[in-house]
Amino acid sequence: SQTIHQWPATLVQPVGSPLSLECTVEGTSNPNLYWYRQAAGRGLQLLFYSVGIGQISSEVPQNLSASRPQDRQFILSSKKLLLSDSGFYLCAWKGLADTGELFFGEGSRLTVL
Amino acid sequence: GQNIDQPTEMTATEGAIVQINCTYQTSGFNGLFWYQQHAGEAPTFLSYNVLDGLEEKGRFSSFLSRSKGYSYLLLKELQMKDSASYLCAALDSNYQLIWGAGTKLIIKP
Repeated sequence: SQTIHQWPATLVQPVGSPLSLECTVEGTSNPNLYWYRQAAGRGLQLLFYSVGIGQISSEVPQNLSASRPQDRQFILSSKKLLLSDSGFYLCAWKGLADTGELFFGEGSRLTVL
Repeated sequence: GQNIDQPTEMTATEGAIVQINCTYQTSGFNGLFWYQQHAGEAPTFLSYNVLDGLEEKGRFSSFLSRSKGYSYLLLKELQMKDSASYLCAALDSNYQLIWGAGTKLIIKP
């Protein structure tokens, strides 16, 4: 069976510090991978998606970046965090069924102070 | 523009029935998803509708009307564990998901 994990679960970082969130998928190959951010009271905002190694599409221009160094690994990074980067970050992969539902990792709560 | 509208919050009583509505406006349409999200956790898939009509899955049912750009999630025999946010999301012509802000459902004993 397929599983998805992301870490760390909780982060408290000062403004201007770097960020690295990691996501891995097991039990499938060449998955479509996504990074979302969820701000309080708002819908999920797609940040990046990837259809393969080294292939990253950015949906929202900002100070975040993403990389896919391996088939089942997706990393979200920032060189200098802003207060507005606080939120709940979710990694997801698109399932294999025709419906194409997303399966999410556990989520990472980032607080920038 | 693309938009999903759903109520911010609803309250219902344990054992009762509740209907959560969702209206959508998207460039093209390839289906409508409902997800459940408990506080502090990731969303989990509940249902997918692409054709008009009602899809029943246990205590939960989901309805779609493509001509009206409208869907609802129906929860029967409410239990305290159903307290959560319910997210509506539409798949547009590029197969990208457009998400609503979610409806927080509060269940009272």
